[in-house]
Amino acid sequence: GEDVEQSLFLSVREGDSSVINCTYTDSSSTYLYWYKQEPGAGLQLLTYIFSNMDMKQDQRLTVLLNKKDKHLSLRIADTQTGDSAIYFCAESMPIGGSARQLTFGSGTQLTVLP
Amino acid sequence: DAGVIQSPRHEVTEMGQEVTLRCKPISGHDYLFWYRQTMMRGLELLIYFNNNVPIDDSGMPEDRFSAKMPNASFSTLKIQPSEPRDSAVYFCASKIFGAGVTEAFFGQGTRLTVV
Repeated sequence: GEDVEQSLFLSVREGDSSVINCTYTDSSSTYLYWYKQEPGAGLQLLTYIFSNMDMKQDQRLTVLLNKKDKHLSLRIADTQTGDSAIYFCAESMPIGGSARQLTFGSGTQLTVLP
Repeated sequence: DAGVIQSPRHEVTEMGQEVTLRCKPISGHDYLFWYRQTMMRGLELLIYFNNNVPIDDSGMPEDRFSAKMPNASFSTLKIQPSEPRDSAVYFCASKIFGAGVTEAFFGQGTRLTVV
């Protein structure tokens, strides 16, 4: 089956780095995504990485991809209280022809402590 | 564009009642997805449409759930009769088909409480 797995909770101190991990199963995934959900809101795309890349950096965010182990991580440097949210890992899976759909992990609740 | 619009934002209903959730996708998007989010099961894909046609409804939990997309700018998710275990946040999302990165845009969700 196709499962995307994440740990449910992570707590860090303000100013520290956060690392959120994810494992996926479909080796044909072309893009892997990180979405952020703030309380009471929908999901917003945070960043993504193409499957032929090992790393992508975007300001405080660093995405690492280990395609061999099907492991994806999101590192947030200098974590702030505003980063407290649920972070979803998602893989892009084929759904017929060249079309794809997103399969989400269960989400990791990041709590930033003052 | 105002983004994906869902209504209502909150719905409280009694067990056995019919509930209809509504979604207006972003204009020009040809895919529409309905998701359900619960603490126990996380984010689940219920059904998705392509060009108003339901493609995969294998995520719909029971026959009590049905979804329609009568035109490109409107979709409904109906639960009849509703049960307390249907309580969840229901998200609608839309995207444009593309071979590259095509972001799925989510609505703010409808929080359904069945008492």
